[in-house]
Amino acid sequence: DGGITQSPKYLFRKEGQNVTLSCEQNLNHDAMYWYRQDPGQGLRLIYYSHIVNDFQKGDIAEGYSVSREKKESFPLTVTSAQKNPTAFYLCASIRTSEGEKLFFGSGTQLSVL
Amino acid sequence: AQSVTQPDIHITVSEGASLELRCNYSYGATPYLFWYVQSPGQGLQLLLKYFSGDTLVQGIKGFEAEFKRSQSSFNLRKPSVHWSDAAEYFCAVGASPPGAAGNKLTFGGGTRVLVKP
Repeated sequence: DGGITQSPKYLFRKEGQNVTLSCEQNLNHDAMYWYRQDPGQGLRLIYYSHIVNDFQKGDIAEGYSVSREKKESFPLTVTSAQKNPTAFYLCASIRTSEGEKLFFGSGTQLSVL
Repeated sequence: AQSVTQPDIHITVSEGASLELRCNYSYGATPYLFWYVQSPGQGLQLLLKYFSGDTLVQGIKGFEAEFKRSQSSFNLRKPSVHWSDAAEYFCAVGASPPGAAGNKLTFGGGTRVLVKP
């Protein structure tokens, strides 16, 4: 079955550590997005990419980095510069030719030890 | 800049009763509007969307929403709530279809729906 796979489901970060969240899709979608979800704040866009080897900052990109070396993969690194990383992270994708429906992964809960 | 407000953080409704979730948006041109639902610890599922045409749109799971340009609103309704409708609901607005170059969706803060037996 096609879909978006995020891993791990739960992740813990130590002080000063970088951690990477995985997002893989086998839907042949062009565009991929990373959102951060905090209670009561909805979803805020971190980074997005519409084609391979290209990506743009969203509203809250500071302390995060991404890469898009393959169409299927859009990993997010939470760096030590992100001082408040505890949140639920959602990856989404869409086929730009359809332009209607975002497909979401099941999310990664990141917590600080 | 586009923005979305969902005034109600929590709503409690009895099973079988009707449900209405409010959404107000701010955007200068014709918006693309969406409602998503999220179960605990899961991703988001699209309920319905409005791009143009008939202002009353039907979605999955018996939900409908009405676009009112004069009120900048896109409220979600369901005539009779089932216990399985307990979840968090998000309204979102975009300037053009999602996935279009440079486009992004802006989400509201969400409304958590609790269903009483």
